[in-house]
Amino acid sequence: DTEVTQTPKHLVMGMTNKKSLKCEQHMGHRAMYWYKQKAKKPPELMFVYSYEKLSINESVPSRFSPECPNSSLLNLHLHALQPEDSALYLCASSQDTSGASNTGELFFGEGSRLTVL
Amino acid sequence: AQKVTQAQTEISVVEKEDVTLDCVYETRDTTYYLFWYKQPPSGELVFLIRRNSFDEQNEISGRYSWNFQKSTSSFNFTITASQVVDSAVYFCALSDSSGYSTLTFGKGTMLLVSP
Repeated sequence: DTEVTQTPKHLVMGMTNKKSLKCEQHMGHRAMYWYKQKAKKPPELMFVYSYEKLSINESVPSRFSPECPNSSLLNLHLHALQPEDSALYLCASSQDTSGASNTGELFFGEGSRLTVL
Repeated sequence: AQKVTQAQTEISVVEKEDVTLDCVYETRDTTYYLFWYKQPPSGELVFLIRRNSFDEQNEISGRYSWNFQKSTSSFNFTITASQVVDSAVYFCALSDSSGYSTLTFGKGTMLLVSP
């Protein structure tokens, strides 16, 4: 079982809806990430939170709004999405963002599969 | 800029065959990290290995082995005696010394192991 939990696993929403994706980890990690993965493509980084502060936004449209209420939780608020935003949204966490962190692992959740109608 | 190339889009093998997944990378950094992840149909990316640029020792873990060659900028992954459960998409990835924020994935290789 993954130690990064994402809910919901599946979400269908209309273009006018407002919804949120949630991610939780209890490994004491201080860095959390949102990735977007389209079918048959590699994951693409969207946002990075380090010590609960947004450190990277990869020019993601404002209809995606991340939030990190505390070190264990990461949300992605969705509003006015487009059908092309349909994808698998993966949350990940690591001890910190440093490449030299001693565990060397970036833990991923199972993802939330989003369909925008 | 970093780049990871996985030239094999899809590989099909029969159970018990050995299979090698290729990964070639480009980076200007002297310190960098290489990774392999497995993504089964469930969607979760499963960490398999991390290797830093200063450690060229090959590694074996059960049926898995990795061959890191800086001279050819390659980090290949071999599965010995493949099993149906090995069927998944495998991603090679690269990050620079600043860490996971710069993780670049290859396009992935889909491995299909049939009984």
